[in-house]
Amino acid sequence: QVQLQESGPGLVKPSQTLSLTCTVSGGSISSGGYYWSWIRQHPGKGLEWIGYSSHSGNNYYNPSLKSRVTISVDTSKNQFSLKLTSVTAADTAVYYCARVVDGGYGDYVDYWGQGILVTVSS
Amino acid sequence: DIQMTQSPSSLSASVGDRVTITCRASQSINRYLNWYQQKPGKAPKLLIYAASSLQSGVPSRFSGSGSGTDFTLTISTLQPEDFAAYYCQQSFSTPLYTFGQGTKLEIK
Repeated sequence: QVQLQESGPGLVKPSQTLSLTCTVSGGSISSGGYYWSWIRQHPGKGLEWIGYSSHSGNNYYNPSLKSRVTISVDTSKNQFSLKLTSVTAADTAVYYCARVVDGGYGDYVDYWGQGILVTVSS
Repeated sequence: DIQMTQSPSSLSASVGDRVTITCRASQSINRYLNWYQQKPGKAPKLLIYAASSLQSGVPSRFSGSGSGTDFTLTISTLQPEDFAAYYCQQSFSTPLYTFGQGTKLEIK
């Protein structure tokens, strides 16, 4: 059973960098056929795709966040991470890490982390 | 960008009812459509992928249909544990996946 667990600070100051790590257990992050993704949900709102990375280092980001986002994979630790720079209050959200299956008829998330609330405030 | 529009935004129903939620894409997405269920304070859970394929472990009362621009999620006989929010998601326009705005299913 694959499990994902987010970790990182729950409070970040405006203009600073939000850094989160997702630890994957029960499966190898180096396995082909998957993308490692970050998705966020503003309080009481819907879901927003941030981006994803393959184990080989191919990265794709939401254009609305692209200038501020970096997602990287560390195969030695079976982890992947999110960095979001120059945060504002609008970046306050629950952040989920997720495994995306590269499916035959499109991609879908089959495993999610539990989510971590990150608040941007001074 | 492909926009996904769900209807209704909220829905009240009773245990035992048959419920249908609709998702419409702003352009054809073939069958590249997934459905998720989210309960308060929890991560979303995959129900249906590729428009109509039931994810392993998901009860058979959930079904999906559609192709092109119009899709539906049907719950054949509502159970108490089904009251939650439901989201559609397209993966046709990789890498920019987009979600619908969600449908909140509440107890009548």
